[in-house]
Amino acid sequence: SQQGEEDPQALSIQEGENATMNCSYKTSINNLQWYRQNSGRGLVHLILIRSNEREKHSGRLRVTLDTSKKSSSLLITASRAADTASYFCATDWMETSGSRLTFGEGTQLTVNP
Amino acid sequence: SQTIHQWPATLVQPVGSPLSLECTVEGTSNPNLYWYRQAAGRGLQLLFYSVGIGQISSEVPQNLSASRPQDRQFILSSKKLLLSDSGFYLCAWNIGTRYTEAFFGQGTRLTVV
Repeated sequence: SQQGEEDPQALSIQEGENATMNCSYKTSINNLQWYRQNSGRGLVHLILIRSNEREKHSGRLRVTLDTSKKSSSLLITASRAADTASYFCATDWMETSGSRLTFGEGTQLTVNP
Repeated sequence: SQTIHQWPATLVQPVGSPLSLECTVEGTSNPNLYWYRQAAGRGLQLLFYSVGIGQISSEVPQNLSASRPQDRQFILSSKKLLLSDSGFYLCAWNIGTRYTEAFFGQGTRLTVV
């Protein structure tokens, strides 16, 4: 079963605005990651936040993690048309059989010029 | 540097035909390897993951199987394709520690007709 669930499913904003996407998950995790996917392509890693971290920044990206609520958010500031893509959160936890990375359903972000 | 190769990019196969999708990784040793399937507009469903040669974990019962004959080679197979096997298949790898990102291939668009 899918571990993460993103909301909203779709988000449409104007260039220059901020975009916030949320992710909830069900079980304990080692880390939570955000990925971006352009249509019909593979996923590209954006940022990883460890389970003992609460906030992380990378350029125009800001990720928060609340392990008590089992939720995370991705904020993209000053959005650009080139940010149009699908964004996925993924949770990673170690099992006896190794690392297992599972994804949510994603948020389709459209940034209008 | 590490790279991942996945082929073919697109594939059209008749119902009942066999399938073999190959994924190879370069520049790293003993990676975790993953096969995902993505339906149109949806998230990634984890199909198989492997932490070593000959070690395969299956996430969901299905018409597909996976094998890892070499350390950096991961193969997705089917003996007889079903219409429901159509989708976008993605191979990925990461290192088996707790805090590493995953790297994705460009995907294979499979259409079963």
